[in-house]
Amino acid sequence: GAGVSQTPSNKVTEKGKYVELRCDPISGHTALYWYRQSLGQGPEFLIYFQGTGAADDSGLPNDRFFAVRPEGSVSTLKIQRTERGDSAVYLCASSLGPAGQGYGYTFGSGTRLTVV
Amino acid sequence: TQLLEQSPQFLSIQEGENLTVYCNSSSVFSSLQWYRQEPGEGPVLLVTVVTGGEVKKLKRLTFQFGDARKDSSLHITAAQPGDTGLYLCAGNNNDMRFGAGTRLTVKP
Repeated sequence: GAGVSQTPSNKVTEKGKYVELRCDPISGHTALYWYRQSLGQGPEFLIYFQGTGAADDSGLPNDRFFAVRPEGSVSTLKIQRTERGDSAVYLCASSLGPAGQGYGYTFGSGTRLTVV
Repeated sequence: TQLLEQSPQFLSIQEGENLTVYCNSSSVFSSLQWYRQEPGEGPVLLVTVVTGGEVKKLKRLTFQFGDARKDSSLHITAAQPGDTGLYLCAGNNNDMRFGAGTRLTVKP
């Protein structure tokens, strides 16, 4: 597609439930990133994929969070046993190459997750 | 603790005024990017700076990368209400880490 698409745009879930957030990157972008943004804060790095593999998952806060990108395109962020503190906007971005080489990111509009 | 410190956190000015916002770190970056974010949207890339001391201009916006590649500034000339938004800097090495942003409001 023309841009990065994230679905759903909004998700309300009960505490303890499992959720999946989907990201469709720009076609041909090999690098894909997940960030989490809380109110009044900048995006917080979660995980970076280069192709199908997670090149850096050091930002995942704990083992309830997991992400996959099985075919090197669409990615899914999975959160188990959701907690109220997981409520945030989850942003996905893609790029032609890694940020360290000066490539700019294109972000989706995010999924607003609310855990009640 | 933010790797990148942005200041000021909030800035409210009148249309036509000039302003500068800052992005500082103790870390050296291979490149640095500035983004602008509006409510309900993801950040949109404004510029990438790569070389220490580099200055880039984008219409009324001037971006500078510090000589040591640890800091950057964004200067806006004759601000307009359409410049209102959250300005984020992001430092790049193998991945990209963001500051908390400067929330700019330009009043007509």
